[in-house]
Amino acid sequence: DQQVKQNSPSLSVQEGRISILNCDYTNSMFDYFLWYKKYPAEGPTFLISISSIKDKNEDGRFTVFLNKSAKHLSLHIVPSQPGDSAVYFCAAPEVPGNQFYFGTGTSLTVIP
Amino acid sequence: DSGVTQTPKHLITATGQRVTLRCSPRSGDLSVYWYQQSLDQGLQFLIHYYNGEERAKGNILERFSAQQFPDLHSELNLSSLELGDSALYFCASSVAGVPYNEQFFGPGTRLTVL
Repeated sequence: DQQVKQNSPSLSVQEGRISILNCDYTNSMFDYFLWYKKYPAEGPTFLISISSIKDKNEDGRFTVFLNKSAKHLSLHIVPSQPGDSAVYFCAAPEVPGNQFYFGTGTSLTVIP
Repeated sequence: DSGVTQTPKHLITATGQRVTLRCSPRSGDLSVYWYQQSLDQGLQFLIHYYNGEERAKGNILERFSAQQFPDLHSELNLSSLELGDSALYFCASSVAGVPYNEQFFGPGTRLTVL
């Protein structure tokens, strides 16, 4: 049961442009979401998070938007840089229960 | 470097065998999470330990078990291995016992079952 979905396996963007990575979820009990970035041969690293009491959270070039009614979140990277090329996972904890759900990831390629 | 260490980096074994994967969390972190990433799949949550106690179980097979020791390192035991168990296994650690906290991931152990 895929409770967190990333329907785009890959995305290519020109350097300097905006990258938009999307994530959908099915569990209306989710109230916190995280984005992780993963380079090859490394473990994922935390990027940014958002609580369901907010609809936007910004950290430098990274902004996450949450649309609770649509059960949809998106990660915007502006401007995109070649070093942003990685796989991006969205994730959500289920509380109570302490389960943790990750999407299947979107591979972002930023073209110089 | 996340501060989380996993050994071994690579493991090649045969079907039916048993292996143990080891994880040392960041200094001060009490929680350890285990994940499996198969080809073209996202990370599947397996199990969470907090300060030596099991907190949550995800999609962990009965052939798999884990524990967290008093020094907080954790081991994931995989037995009666099948070809489909070939995957990357990550552990992650965090400070607290609730999953809202940022998790710090190790580099993973790549298991190949032949």
